[in-house]
Amino acid sequence: KQEVTQIPAALSVPEGENLVLNCSFTDSAIYNLQWFRQDPGKGLTSLLLIQSSQREQTSGRLNASLDKSSGRSTLYIAASQPGDSATYLCAVTGSAGGTSYGKLTFGQGTILTVHP
Amino acid sequence: NAGVTQTPKFRVLKTGQSMTLLCAQDMNHEYMYWYRQDPGMGLRLIHYSVGEGTTAKGEVPDGYNVSRLKKQNFLLGLESAAPSQTSVYFCASQTRTFVGGYTFGSGTRLTVV
Repeated sequence: KQEVTQIPAALSVPEGENLVLNCSFTDSAIYNLQWFRQDPGKGLTSLLLIQSSQREQTSGRLNASLDKSSGRSTLYIAASQPGDSATYLCAVTGSAGGTSYGKLTFGQGTILTVHP
Repeated sequence: NAGVTQTPKFRVLKTGQSMTLLCAQDMNHEYMYWYRQDPGMGLRLIHYSVGEGTTAKGEVPDGYNVSRLKKQNFLLGLESAAPSQTSVYFCASQTRTFVGGYTFGSGTRLTVV
C-alpha cells in the first residue's frame, strides 16, 4: 500500500523567506505527483503536476522537484507572502505494477503560515 | 469551464436518514473518485469508478454506495447516515491516461446529528 509522508507538519515563517516543503512516498511505481493548495474550509487547488518521467516543474514562485527512485519530492516557494498561507498537500497516482494502481494517495499536508 | 461540480455544498442530516451526493464533470474524464477529508486523517478514498457502469471500493467504503450510470456523473449514497460520516466529501476526476492532473470539486460539507 502506498504511503505518503509530508514534513514538516506545520511551518511558520516571516514574509520574504524562501522555503521548502518535503514529500516522500513508499512505492515508486507512480504515474505522477501533484501538489495541491487548500485554504481553510475550501477545496483543493492544483499547483503543479510532475509526470514520472520529469524531474521538476515550475510555476511562478513555485518549483517542484521529483526523484522517483528515492521516493521524494520537494516544493520550493520563493519570496513567501502572507497570501501563501494555506495547507499544502502532496499526492501521487499509482501506476501499473504498483500497489495503488490508478489511485491518488495523499500526504497529511503541511500547514504553512507566512506572517508579515 | 465548469470542471467538477458537486451538489449540495452543505447538508445536515439526522442519524438514520439517507441522501445522495452528486458529482458531475464536463471534461469527458473516464475515472472518477469520491474522497472524504477528516481532521487528522487526511483525504481517504471511499469509492472510485474507471468507467460508465463500473465502480470499485477504496480505502473506507463501508456505509456508502455509489453508481456511475452516465460517464459524466458519479453518485455517492448514504443509506443510513451515522455521526461518523460527518465529514467533507470531495469528488475528483481524471483521464484514463493520467496525463493531466486530477480535478477536484469544491466539496460537500456534511454534518450528521
